[in-house]
Amino acid sequence: SAVISQKPSRDICQRGTSLTIQCQVDSQVTMMFWYRQQPGQSLTLIATANQGSEATYESGFVIDKFPISRPNLTFSTLTVSNMSPEDSSIYLCSVEHGQETQYFGPGTRLLVL
Amino acid sequence: SQQGEEDPQALSIQEGENATMNCSYKTSINNLQWYRQNSGRGLVHLILIRSNEREKHSGRLRVTLDTSKKSSSLLITASRAADTASYFCAMDTGRRALTFGSGTRLQVQP
Repeated sequence: SAVISQKPSRDICQRGTSLTIQCQVDSQVTMMFWYRQQPGQSLTLIATANQGSEATYESGFVIDKFPISRPNLTFSTLTVSNMSPEDSSIYLCSVEHGQETQYFGPGTRLLVL
Repeated sequence: SQQGEEDPQALSIQEGENATMNCSYKTSINNLQWYRQNSGRGLVHLILIRSNEREKHSGRLRVTLDTSKKSSSLLITASRAADTASYFCAMDTGRRALTFGSGTRLQVQP
């Protein structure tokens, strides 16, 4: 299995500011994904982070709001820009490792005031 | 991405009883995975079942898959208080990213 860490684990931010979330994997992986989990809800895919090219965003998510970097095969960042209270969620990164299984990081719990 | 549906939304049982959760989805899949989430933390991978498999076991977990009905079930036998968590099914529809079900909140009373 893959070991995934995320920083920060939680944060409280003021509206209008931005937060960058880091995701580090202990091995090289091809596919990395970012998900959002709003309070009491299931997970929704934000984007697929591609190494060496722009991220692929899902419907309803745009690069200006959620810019993503993927500088190498073990690291990615997600920025939540110009935050509003509606962005309060848990943000999770995941990787595909081995035979189809996806492993998830511990999540970043964000509260926007 | 379109979610799958899970039922029940919430389930409360006594320790030692079995818990069954059901997942329905809408499109064809390569595999279906079940995850556990404790108190809004990260997801723990439980089991993966491929589209050509009908049943799979792992410890106290039993997963079934019926691709003709586009449904899956997760059975936890002899439940323990530590099994209290939210459980999610997640479908790999060929995009490699997962589409998640709505989740079942399981409460196991000691």
